Amino acid sequence: GESVGLHLPTLSVQEGDNSIINCAYSNSASDYFIWYKQESGKGPQFIIDIRSNMDKRQGQRVTVLLNKTVKHLSLQIAATQPGDSAVYFCAERGTNAGKSTFGDGTTLTVKP
Amino acid sequence: KAGVTQTPRYLIKTRGQQVTLSCSPISGHRSVSWYQQTPGQGLQFLFEYFSETQRNKGNFPGRFSGRQFSNSRSEMNVSTLELGDSALYLCASSLSGGGNEQFFGPGTRLTVL
Repeated sequence: GESVGLHLPTLSVQEGDNSIINCAYSNSASDYFIWYKQESGKGPQFIIDIRSNMDKRQGQRVTVLLNKTVKHLSLQIAATQPGDSAVYFCAERGTNAGKSTFGDGTTLTVKP
Repeated sequence: KAGVTQTPRYLIKTRGQQVTLSCSPISGHRSVSWYQQTPGQGLQFLFEYFSETQRNKGNFPGRFSGRQFSNSRSEMNVSTLELGDSALYLCASSLSGGGNEQFFGPGTRLTVL
């Protein structure tokens, strides 16, 4: 079956450093790959997504890289700030945004 | 524009009872999905409703059911509650489901005693 997984359950970085969060997926038929951020007491918040026919997409301070050869997805956060501290999930879906398969989550802690 | 709202935010029930959770999507969104989040299993897809019809279903027992109303509001029901049903239940909405971003509500924290 389909699944997504993250390489590390926790990541601790110094404020101002760049963060890289990794994810491996198994479903080659996925159409979109998405990164979400979940803060305590809140639901997941969309950060950025990438379509399967792309290998890189940039947003504000974030970059998502997709390597379909090894089925690997990464989220890079530039100049990490304390407000970036949260749990980050990767997810995959087909063309329907209504059904996503989520990975286990990486807890990012930013040290001042 | 108001976000996705879920009620109640917290709920305590006992085993064997049933519970109904409510979700109001963002105005104009017709797709509503439900997810269960637990420390052990993570975020798992329950089902999706679109235009009052269940369009997708996850691997949960029949005790979990849902429905969507003509105004796109959705409810999910869990009957004969078990201890393992304790979780954060998240609702998410999107415009049409296809190629659109999902917006999540804050969730309903259900505790089963």
